Amino acid sequence: DAGVTQSPTHLIKTRGQQVTLRCSPKSGHDTVSWYQQALGQGPQFIFQYYEEEERQRGNFPDRFSGHQFPNYSSELNVNALLLGDSALYLCASSLPLATPYNEQFFGPGTRLTVL
Amino acid sequence: QKEVEQNSGPLSVPEGAIASLNCTYSDRGSQSFFWYRQYSGKSPELIMFIYSNGDKEDGRFTAQLNKASQYVSLLIRDSQPSDSATYLCAVIPAFNAGGTSYGKLTFGQGTILTVHP
Repeated sequence: DAGVTQSPTHLIKTRGQQVTLRCSPKSGHDTVSWYQQALGQGPQFIFQYYEEEERQRGNFPDRFSGHQFPNYSSELNVNALLLGDSALYLCASSLPLATPYNEQFFGPGTRLTVL
Repeated sequence: QKEVEQNSGPLSVPEGAIASLNCTYSDRGSQSFFWYRQYSGKSPELIMFIYSNGDKEDGRFTAQLNKASQYVSLLIRDSQPSDSATYLCAVIPAFNAGGTSYGKLTFGQGTILTVHP
C-alpha cells in the first residue's frame, strides 16, 4: 500500500521564479492538504482540495495556488518566489471528513530553497 | 495568543524515564487532537489522536485530554533514545454549521525531546 508521495524531494529556485510541487495521496484517500513548515516551526496550513476544488484556505497570499486532478493527485504552485518561501512543503492526504478523527498522513515533503 | 501552544524545549530525559509533553489550545470548541512525531529532516508521523476527555493508551504512549482546561498531553513511558525527535501537537477546530470539519490541522511549534542513554 503506497503512502503519500511527493516530488521533487529538493528544489532550488531564485527570487521571482515560479515553482510547482506535486503530491499523490495514499491509496483510498481523496482529500489533499498542503502545509508549509519553516525551520523550527510547526507546519502551517496552506489549503485543502477535495473533489478537484479548493475547500479551505489558510492565511497565504494568492501567489500560492493549487490544483487537484481527477485521480486525486494535487499540485501546489507558488509564483513570484520570495526568500521567505524557503521551507519544507508537506502534502497530507485523508479520507472524506465524515468523522471528527480525520487522520491525515504526510508525505516526505519537498524542501524548497529560494536564493 | 497562539492557537496551539507547546513548550519548545528541549526536554531532556534519561533512558527508561517517562517523558511528558504538554499542549494548550485556545479554541474551546476544538474537536480532535493529534500528536505527531517528526525526526530531523523528515515529515511528521502520526502517533495518536484523541477526541474524548480522559486518557487513551497505545503501547508506550498515552494521550490525555482535558477539554475544560483546554489541555492535551502525551506521555511516553520507558523512553528510548529512538524517541528523540520533535513532537507536534495539532488540533482540528470546531465543526462548522453543517456539522463537518474540513480538517484544517493547526499545529503548535513542537517540543524537542532528547532521550539520553
